[in-house]
Amino acid sequence: DAGVIQSPRHEVTEMGQEVTLRCKPISGHDYLFWYRQTMMRGLELLIYFNNNVPIDDSGMPEDRFSAKMPNASFSTLKIQPSEPRDSAVYFCASSSGLAGVYNEQFFGPGTRLTVL
Amino acid sequence: QKEVEQNSGPLSVPEGAIASLNCTYSDRGSQSFFWYRQYSGKSPELIMSIYSNGDKEDGRFTAQLNKASQYVSLLIRDSQPSDSATYLCASRSYNQGGKLIFGQGTELSVKP
Repeated sequence: DAGVIQSPRHEVTEMGQEVTLRCKPISGHDYLFWYRQTMMRGLELLIYFNNNVPIDDSGMPEDRFSAKMPNASFSTLKIQPSEPRDSAVYFCASSSGLAGVYNEQFFGPGTRLTVL
Repeated sequence: QKEVEQNSGPLSVPEGAIASLNCTYSDRGSQSFFWYRQYSGKSPELIMSIYSNGDKEDGRFTAQLNKASQYVSLLIRDSQPSDSATYLCASRSYNQGGKLIFGQGTELSVKP
């Protein structure tokens, strides 16, 4: 079975442009997580979904960030307008909640975003 | 105070030695703990999970949990150069809705 798929793997854009990151979770997983990783702040959870419903978006830094999960196999993270401080690696992860809370999260390869 | 704290390192050990990685957490409601390994430029991958006080062994890896002291550790025996990576400690609590809280990570370097 394929792992978590993210696209694009690298994105370079200019300040003010809209950026859309995409994620396909592992089939059958009902939890999806978006993380951001920087040297300064480490790995931060931005938002997570359960059965396509956003559960906790307290980590979303500001209104410029939005995330959607229109169906069980696809999620997007959008930044509009982008700023240089948004430069980071963005990871998507998924897990299965069937066995309770102790479930492994599987991470995608990440999208390296550079905002000039 | 950060919820999950780790020494950033780098921690340097010679090949064959025991590497000891430490982590403390502040939320007493935390119930499960995870160690992820992240190679440079790659995504985190789970290597150990622990839920009960005491030790849990898996091959060369041993996770230790002390809930009274709010302390988690990871021991890597017979360290190999291929173990060189950043190790992320994470906790999970029902108080936090079950989401993972990650520490900053400890960079480990195993010298041949």
